[in-house]
Amino acid sequence: DQQVKQNSPSLSVQEGRISILNCDYTNSMFDYFLWYKKYPAEGPTFLISISSIKDKNEDGRFTVFLNKSAKHLSLHIVPSQPGDSAVYFCAAYNTDKLIFGTGTRLQVFP
Amino acid sequence: NAGVTQTPKFRVLKTGQSMTLLCAQDMNHEYMYWYRQDPGMGLRLIHYSVGEGTTAKGEVPDGYNVSRLKKQNFLLGLESAAPSQTSVYFCASRGSANTEAFFGQGTRLTVV
Repeated sequence: DQQVKQNSPSLSVQEGRISILNCDYTNSMFDYFLWYKKYPAEGPTFLISISSIKDKNEDGRFTVFLNKSAKHLSLHIVPSQPGDSAVYFCAAYNTDKLIFGTGTRLQVFP
Repeated sequence: NAGVTQTPKFRVLKTGQSMTLLCAQDMNHEYMYWYRQDPGMGLRLIHYSVGEGTTAKGEVPDGYNVSRLKKQNFLLGLESAAPSQTSVYFCASRGSANTEAFFGQGTRLTVV
């Protein structure tokens, strides 16, 4: 049973435009959400997070939105750059467990 | 600053062999995690630990054992490797609750 779902395996966006990556979750006990970025042959690196008591968190070009009633979060990247091409994972804490989604591969083309 | 270090980086095992993957962190973190990454499956939690001497099962614990004898180390053991355990394994650690976890560089394991 996948508790954190990323239904889009891939996304292709032109440089300079907005990238929107989506994530849905099923467990209402999740209270903290994170986005990670992963390049090939490297470990995931933390990007941005949001607490369940907020609905938006912004850090430079990256903004995460949380809609608790819909159990949905999204990551917006504006403007998208070629260096943003990577696999993006959303993740959530359920007490001590950190549960990840299946990932979305983002490709930013010139 | 080493952060989270995994040993080894690559390994090929024959079916039935055993091995131990080592994860070491130098950040004095309480929480440590082991994941496996497979195509189309994302990162799946194998086992985790909330402090020295504690371990708990994650989403896919079967076929693996873990130990946390020292706070800085989290060991993942495969007693009898199977081809289904071919994967990339990642270790992570975090400090307090609701903070980001830091990952190691991964161990690519092939079981033939």
